[in-house]
Amino acid sequence: EPEVTQTPSHQVTQMGQEVILHCVPISNHLYFYWYRQILGQKVEFLVSFYNNEISEKSEIFDDQFSVERPDGSNFTLKIRSTKLEDSAMYFCASSDDLAKNIQYFGAGTRLSVL
Amino acid sequence: TQLLEQSPQFLSIQEGENLTVYCNSSSVFSSLQWYRQEPGEGPVLLVTVVTGGEVKKLKRLTFQFGDARKDSSLHITAAQPGDTGLYLCAGAVAQGAQKLVFGQGTRLTINP
Repeated sequence: EPEVTQTPSHQVTQMGQEVILHCVPISNHLYFYWYRQILGQKVEFLVSFYNNEISEKSEIFDDQFSVERPDGSNFTLKIRSTKLEDSAMYFCASSDDLAKNIQYFGAGTRLSVL
Repeated sequence: TQLLEQSPQFLSIQEGENLTVYCNSSSVFSSLQWYRQEPGEGPVLLVTVVTGGEVKKLKRLTFQFGDARKDSSLHITAAQPGDTGLYLCAGAVAQGAQKLVFGQGTRLTINP
């Protein structure tokens, strides 16, 4: 069964460093999303991406965040200068249509900022 | 800002009992999805309900979408220890890219 793949599973970084989280969405999907989940809290929407551009972003998704689809398969989330409060699980999701908007999630990347 | 209130937050019952988890909102959603999440993993889709009043069954799990598409419930019949886990509801916002708004989750424990 097709699945969303995220790498790495765990990323440890120093405060102020840049990190790039990688996702390979399901191959025929067109809509891509990043969510995050701080330990013990709700899953929160960060950004959605369609047709090579951001379609919506949350207040969390400030200038330190960016997304890119560098080729036909990868979808990346970059945090330019990490802060302690960026420590969380980051989930990538993809969907093939908006009518039902069934979003399939990857296993996540645990980001630990020290 | 759309909010989805999920209750109860924790539920511990004996094997064989029935239970219901609720998700409520003042907002209308275009669809509502139920996920199950294991520790350290991503949400795994259980079901999507799209039409107001829709009922879907998945073995012993019954999912219902409210007539006004603002609320949903998950009912488990004759719960088993294998049902233990974190259950999440998520509503798809009916505009734009239809981001998902998640409830806070229900941590379910089924005791043998």
